[in-house]
Amino acid sequence: NAGVTQTPKFRVLKTGQSMTLLCAQDMNHEYMYWYRQDPGMGLRLIHYSVGEGTTAKGEVPDGYNVSRLKKQNFLLGLESAAPSQTSVYFCASSYVEGPIYEQYFGPGTRLTVT
Amino acid sequence: DQQVKQNSPSLSVQEGRISILNCDYTNSMFDYFLWYKKYPAEGPTFLISISSIKDKNEDGRFTVFLNKSAKHLSLHIVPSQPGDSAVYFCAASADNYGQNFVFGPGTRLSVLP
Repeated sequence: NAGVTQTPKFRVLKTGQSMTLLCAQDMNHEYMYWYRQDPGMGLRLIHYSVGEGTTAKGEVPDGYNVSRLKKQNFLLGLESAAPSQTSVYFCASSYVEGPIYEQYFGPGTRLTVT
Repeated sequence: DQQVKQNSPSLSVQEGRISILNCDYTNSMFDYFLWYKKYPAEGPTFLISISSIKDKNEDGRFTVFLNKSAKHLSLHIVPSQPGDSAVYFCAASADNYGQNFVFGPGTRLSVLP
């Protein structure tokens, strides 16, 4: 049981390049999320998905797109990377049962845009 | 303006003593609260939760206290151990839906042997 995995772990992009971050979970969770973490700030939600084939915008969606074609995978795309997108990106997933819906996080992807 | 604040960026505590990490929030509609722990190069992991129907929740060495009138919660770790050294985030939501949890900036705890 791997939990939540993210690939790649590190990436350096030049301004204007594109890339896709992959998140996979093997816990059969309905909900999945993409966050970014910047120094001195809490995790900020980029996009999320409440089920296969559905996505929605979070707090900071501009410059990103997502897709959830399979329940276990959630992809985050950067079409034209900008230095402001230098950050650590975390994927998470969660149940929708239980008293409080805690999230299970992947190890993160450190992205640098030069 | 940050809705969830952790005003101490860092905290150092001697092994065996109590660690108290604080979290303040501004939205009076928040009813669900979570604490996460994060080690370097890893993702956050869930630690403990509380909802507004309670003012205290315990799990082993970890206790979370909620003071809704003061919009304040705190995480107590007793006794503190070197393995507790990590960054601790609090998160809050009005409706328990994952996409609506707002995270604080974190407090880095160092437990000194």
